[in-house]
Amino acid sequence: GQQVMQIPQYQHVQEGEDFTTYCNSSTTLSNIQWYKQRPGGHPVFLIQLVKSGEVKKQKRLTFQFGEAKKNSSLHITATQTTDVGTYFCAGRWYSGGGADGLTFGKGTHLIIQP
Amino acid sequence: GAVVSQHPSWVICKSGTSVKIECRSLDFQATTMFWYRQFPKQSLMLMATSNEGSKATYEQGVEKDKFLINHASLTLSTLTVTSAHPEDSSFYICSAEGQGSTDTQYFGPGTRLTVL
Repeated sequence: GQQVMQIPQYQHVQEGEDFTTYCNSSTTLSNIQWYKQRPGGHPVFLIQLVKSGEVKKQKRLTFQFGEAKKNSSLHITATQTTDVGTYFCAGRWYSGGGADGLTFGKGTHLIIQP
Repeated sequence: GAVVSQHPSWVICKSGTSVKIECRSLDFQATTMFWYRQFPKQSLMLMATSNEGSKATYEQGVEKDKFLINHASLTLSTLTVTSAHPEDSSFYICSAEGQGSTDTQYFGPGTRLTVL
């Protein structure tokens, strides 16, 4: 089946440092979505990228979708303690029968040291 | 924003019993609902896709006779774990996609199932 590889699995940063997580698919995606999950919580939608080479920003978060629509990244500038959690990318492919469910990457656990 | 609820939020049951989990879209109609399972410290794994009024589509390796899905209306999908065993203990999360949506899935808060 389709897979999305996400790295790193864990990332420790000092508060104020930047953070980046990367996702890669072996096949071209229809779109990629990013979610944040706090410990004990459920995934919360952050953003969706659809177009080749797309870049979107949400305050300190920058999301990129590769030109080939096979990779994506999430970059957080100047991390804060509220950024703690697990960040998942989730890829989507369209089959002939319609939209498929999301295939999640393994997630990157962001740990921030004050 | 769109709200999806799940009930119950947690359940403990004995091995061999069946458990039903409900997923509701509260303020929109969901043509498609998805069921995911998340084991501790792992990612979400898609179990099945549920379309209103039709049979669910199960992912490879997911037993359709064990995980019964019913999408009876545009706002409700249910997942029944039949003859539950300890290895079925997990966090079950549903998501819903609205009519005419831009592919955004709204996730429920999840149901933590513990089978003794």
